[in-house]
Amino acid sequence: GDSVTQMEGPVTLSEEAFLTINCTYTATGYPSLFWYVQYPGEGLQLLLKATKADDKGSNKGFEATYRKETTSFHLEKGSVQVSDSAVYFCALSKQAGTALIFGKGTTLSVSS
Amino acid sequence: NAGVTQTPKFRILKIGQSMTLQCTQDMNHNYMYWYRQDPGMGLKLIYYSVGAGITDKGEVPNGYNVSRSTTEDFPLRLELAAPSQTSVYFCASSPPGRSYNEQFFGPGTRLTVL
Repeated sequence: GDSVTQMEGPVTLSEEAFLTINCTYTATGYPSLFWYVQYPGEGLQLLLKATKADDKGSNKGFEATYRKETTSFHLEKGSVQVSDSAVYFCALSKQAGTALIFGKGTTLSVSS
Repeated sequence: NAGVTQTPKFRILKIGQSMTLQCTQDMNHNYMYWYRQDPGMGLKLIYYSVGAGITDKGEVPNGYNVSRSTTEDFPLRLELAAPSQTSVYFCASSPPGRSYNEQFFGPGTRLTVL
């Protein structure tokens, strides 16, 4: 079945460091890919999305490119801030009305 | 718009008790979902609904029931609570008519069964 694998955490960085969180997927067809972020004590918020191969999603300085040849959707940010500390989830979906398939989440902790 | 709202935020149940987790959305979304999130794991789908009067099981439906009498509301019922149901529960919704499936999440209900 469809699945998402993302790098184990926690990831601990200093402020202004470069961030990469790896995400790979297994799916038939052409899924849409998402990154969701969960701040402490809150629900999930959509961070960015890509709906077809070679699309780049971006938001708040974060970017991820849908790479069909490597089945990957790695999340990157050039300079992290303390306020980026959260849990990041990679997810895929085939179509509206179906489940999002989530990875296990990666905890990011940024210190000043 | 309030988006997706859930009540209660926290709840402690004793084994064998029952409760209903409430979920309401004001975005006129057709699709609604219930997920559970266990520590160190991603979210797993419990039940979903494609519209009022229509519900279907997800990956982990055992021990739960749902109903969808209106577009706005999608309550999740736990009968005979068990410690294995200790989790954080998220309700989500998504609009129809899109080729992708962006879901909007509520703030969650943290449930402990002792």
